[in-house]
Amino acid sequence: GDSVTQTEGLVTLTKGLPVMLNCTYQTTYSPFLFWYVQHLNEAPKLLLKSSTDNKRTEHQGFYATLHKSSSSFHLQKSSVQLSDSALYFCALRNYNQGKLIFGQGTKLSIKP
Amino acid sequence: EAAVTQSPRNKVTVTGGNVTLSCRQTNSHNYMYWYRQDTGHGLRLIHYSYGAGNLQIGDVPDGYKATRTTQEDFFLLLELASPSQTSLYFCASSATISNERLFFGHGTKLSVL
Repeated sequence: GDSVTQTEGLVTLTKGLPVMLNCTYQTTYSPFLFWYVQHLNEAPKLLLKSSTDNKRTEHQGFYATLHKSSSSFHLQKSSVQLSDSALYFCALRNYNQGKLIFGQGTKLSIKP
Repeated sequence: EAAVTQSPRNKVTVTGGNVTLSCRQTNSHNYMYWYRQDTGHGLRLIHYSYGAGNLQIGDVPDGYKATRTTQEDFFLLLELASPSQTSLYFCASSATISNERLFFGHGTKLSVL
């Protein structure tokens, strides 16, 4: 069945450094990938989405590129801020089903 | 911004208890979802619905029932609650099946003692 894997449970960085959060997926259908962000005590919110192969998508300083050849959709930012501390979820939807499958989540902790 | 309202925000019950979690969306979305969030597991889909009267089984349905009474209202039922169902529950809605994003409620924290 479909699945999403996020390999890092916790990433701790100093403010101003770059970050990459890993996301790989498995599906037999045409994929649509999402990144959601959840700040402490808040609901998850959409950060990025893409279904276009090899095209970079950006929002709020974050960016990701869907690579169907490697089944990946890694999230990156060139310079993290304290406000980026949050839980980040990668998610997969295929066109044949209505459900969205989430990865385990990566907690990003930014230190001054 | 789409509005999804969950109630209650917090609930404590005992093992074997009967619990109903409520969700209402006022954005005329067709699709509604119930997820549970647990550390190390992310968000896992319990049940979802394409519209009033429709119910689809998610990935972790055991011990849960759901009912979509109207386009706006989606309920999650735990008829014999167990400690393993202690979790943070999120309801979400989306307009369509394909590339539309999910709008989440603020969650219900359920503790089963």
